[in-house]
Amino acid sequence: NAGVTQTPKFRVLKTGQSMTLLCAQDMNHEYMYWYRQDPGMGLRLIHYSVGEGTTAKGEVPDGYNVSRLKKQNFLLGLESAAPSQTSVYFCASSGVGQNSPLHFGNGTRLTVT
Amino acid sequence: AQSVTQLGSHVSVSEGALVLLRCNYSSSVPPYLFWYVQYPNQGLQLLLKYTTGATLVKGINGFEAEFKKSETSFHLTKPSAHMSDAAEYFCAVSRDSGYALNFGKGTSLLVTP
Repeated sequence: NAGVTQTPKFRVLKTGQSMTLLCAQDMNHEYMYWYRQDPGMGLRLIHYSVGEGTTAKGEVPDGYNVSRLKKQNFLLGLESAAPSQTSVYFCASSGVGQNSPLHFGNGTRLTVT
Repeated sequence: AQSVTQLGSHVSVSEGALVLLRCNYSSSVPPYLFWYVQYPNQGLQLLLKYTTGATLVKGINGFEAEFKKSETSFHLTKPSAHMSDAAEYFCAVSRDSGYALNFGKGTSLLVTP
């Protein structure tokens, strides 16, 4: 019963460095998402995917890239990290349909110095 | 575009008292509405959801919410607060694209002895 698993849990980067966050789900969900959570801002959608091989931009996509080469995995990349990308990143997945709830991972806390 | 507004970023109640967390939505189409709870250093967990049908929705841990179309509200209630209810609560609405959810900014619930 793993659900949605995110790695790593914590990461510290220097400005300009790159990294990839990995999300894996074992529920055979079609849809996957990346959100960022900042104090007082709630959760904001970065990118999402409605199926293997497809991705789309959310509200705050700048500075991030994603890939979904396998149905169960959704990767979030930061090519050149900036302090403004210090945040907690959550991956989620869901079935098809607007009434399908999102299932969340436990988050990755990223600090960019 | 669909959005939700949570009234009150912080709510404090005494143990045993009524919990009322407010959420108002904006939607041009019939909305699907959700409440999530987030405990410290964890991801978001689904409390309950409204799709269609009965307007009073019961969720986990004794929480319930009532969909009121005339008031565009979906407030979350619990008759008697428990110390373990202390957490961050998020209201969310389905996006008109059919994918992902738009979240409110969250309400932090404090339960005092």
